Amino acid sequence: GAGVSQSPSNKVTEKGKDVELRCDPISGHTALYWYRQSLGQGLEFLIYFQGNSAPDKSGLPSDRFSAERTGGSVSTLTIQRTQQEDSAVYLCASTAGLGHNEQFFGPGTRLTVL
Amino acid sequence: GESVGLHLPTLSVQEGDNSIINCAYSNSASDYFIWYKQESGKGPQFIIDIRSNMDKRQGQRVTVLLNKTVKHLSLQIAATQPGDSAVYFCAEGWGGKLIFGQGTELSVKP
Repeated sequence: GAGVSQSPSNKVTEKGKDVELRCDPISGHTALYWYRQSLGQGLEFLIYFQGNSAPDKSGLPSDRFSAERTGGSVSTLTIQRTQQEDSAVYLCASTAGLGHNEQFFGPGTRLTVL
Repeated sequence: GESVGLHLPTLSVQEGDNSIINCAYSNSASDYFIWYKQESGKGPQFIIDIRSNMDKRQGQRVTVLLNKTVKHLSLQIAATQPGDSAVYFCAEGWGGKLIFGQGTELSVKP
């Protein structure tokens, strides 16, 4: 595609429910990243994929968070049993691969947990 | 732990003046650094990057300076314009991982 897309753009959910966030990277980009950005804060690294594998999961805040990527393209970030502190903007980025520094970001999904 | 921080959380400049945004990083193993611009409601946008074996790199109206001795990074914007108003993030990277700083809000007065 022309750019990184994310869906939904906004998600409001109740505490305890599960949510799935989707990221479509730029076509042909092999590396994909997930970040979380709380209001007025910087970006917190969550996880990245090189192809379908995730060599670094160190940023996932708890075992309620998981992510997968199939077919080397679309990725989903799943948050189980959501908590109010999970409220944030979740950003996805992609690059052409390791060694390519420029990460292209999507517009983000704003998650609000009531 | 690893961290990237910014000296100034807000910066206000007059249109046409030059802007300098500073950043300190802590991981001496970082092999590249990136500056991003983020406008309200949008994802970060790449501005310029620099590898650790360089100390200066120039782009269009922007210059990034890297001082590895004191682990300091700066972004210089020449002839700042109202469209430059945004939050600017520095980030340090290694092995595909990117750690962001907290951000500096740049406000350009007409």
